Amino acid sequence: NAGVTQTPKFQVLKTGQSMTLQCAQDMNHEYMSWYRQDPGMGLRLIHYSVGAGITDQGEVPNGYNVSRSTTEDFPLRLLSAAPSQTSVYFCASRKAIGTDTQYFGPGTRLTVL
Amino acid sequence: AQRVTQPEKLLSVFKGAPVELKCNYSYSGSPELFWYVQYSRQRLQLLLRHISRESIKGFTADLNKGETSFHLKKPFAQEEDSAMYYCALIPSGSARQLTFGSGTQLTVLP
Repeated sequence: NAGVTQTPKFQVLKTGQSMTLQCAQDMNHEYMSWYRQDPGMGLRLIHYSVGAGITDQGEVPNGYNVSRSTTEDFPLRLLSAAPSQTSVYFCASRKAIGTDTQYFGPGTRLTVL
Repeated sequence: AQRVTQPEKLLSVFKGAPVELKCNYSYSGSPELFWYVQYSRQRLQLLLRHISRESIKGFTADLNKGETSFHLKKPFAQEEDSAMYYCALIPSGSARQLTFGSGTQLTVLP
């Protein structure tokens, strides 16, 4: 199993540009989530999904959209990038809402100029 | 809402010395507590969980409900323990979102 994969690894955007961060898992996990990691602030939950077709907002959802059309994929969309969205983004998954071990992707380092 | 506090952003100890990474939480119910670790150039991974009462890589953590703490301890630090450590909490109930602390960067000096 590849586990949780993310693409791209690095991305530089200009303010106002849009892009999609890709996340996929091959473990048939129901629960997937997106976090951003900022110095001194730890990991903050952006959006999450408890299954295909179901998504919900986390702690810092503004400026981001998600969808979950399949169990495997959970892309994160930035519609109009802002410098405040410069961060490292992690996708994670776990088998079900009632389980605890969460598996993380390698991260995407995004810089918005 | 739940909150996890890690008061030390940076912690340095010498090899062979004991190390304790502090974690305090605020939550009115009975949470599940975890420690996650991120080694340099590696992805975040689960280190241990309180419910298992396990010792991983020599690390232990005891949940103290009275002090609402879940400090991570190791009696003899090794250089390979240098990493970023995150304390995390899952509340009881249906939401069950992981809430992370701000992290502590541990450096073990030779």
